[in-house]
Amino acid sequence: SQKIEQNSEALNIQEGKTATLTCNYTNYSPAYLQWYRQDPGRGPVFLLLIRENEKEKRKERLKVTFDTTLKQSLFHITASQPADSATYLCALNSGNNRLAFGKGNQVVVIP
Amino acid sequence: DADVTQTPRNRITKTGKRIMLECSQTKGHDRMYWYRQDPGLGLRLIYYSFDVKDINKGEISDGYSVSRQAQAKFSLSLESAIPNQTALYFCATSDLRDYTDTQYFGPGTRLTVL
Repeated sequence: SQKIEQNSEALNIQEGKTATLTCNYTNYSPAYLQWYRQDPGRGPVFLLLIRENEKEKRKERLKVTFDTTLKQSLFHITASQPADSATYLCALNSGNNRLAFGKGNQVVVIP
Repeated sequence: DADVTQTPRNRITKTGKRIMLECSQTKGHDRMYWYRQDPGLGLRLIYYSFDVKDINKGEISDGYSVSRQAQAKFSLSLESAIPNQTALYFCATSDLRDYTDTQYFGPGTRLTVL
């Protein structure tokens, strides 16, 4: 089964800067990869999906890249704002037709 | 109204008690899931159901049981609660027609077992 790795250390970033998070996976490359946002004590919320044949996907200030050679996805928040402070989870197909989630990476945007 | 609702939102109980957590959805999705989340361990799948007659164990099903009463309802039971079942529990749904299995989560139930 897939192993999904996200940085366990929180990313502290100054407001206005770009936050970049990494999601690495082992084994085979999935057909798609998803990113979710989770606020403390609340359920994850779907943000973006990128397919294996897409190098980059954007949604407002969010950008996701997918490199199947490196087995890695990068998640960028440009012009970060304090309201972007949350934990971000990547998720991908675990090989048995189910989604597997990473443990998440916390972002703290400092005003 | 929220598409995926969970009741109760918070529950404190004692060791050995039977507890039921309920999930309802108005999204019309066939697939429903129960996860638990613990600090540092991420989301772990307990049970999932792809339709009313389909129930499957996830990675940590021991000590839990589920019931899919209808397409829109999926309940999680702890037959005899123990302290290490203290966690945040989430229900989620996805559309059977969506091969990407994008999931929609409820607000969570914070369960404390004393």
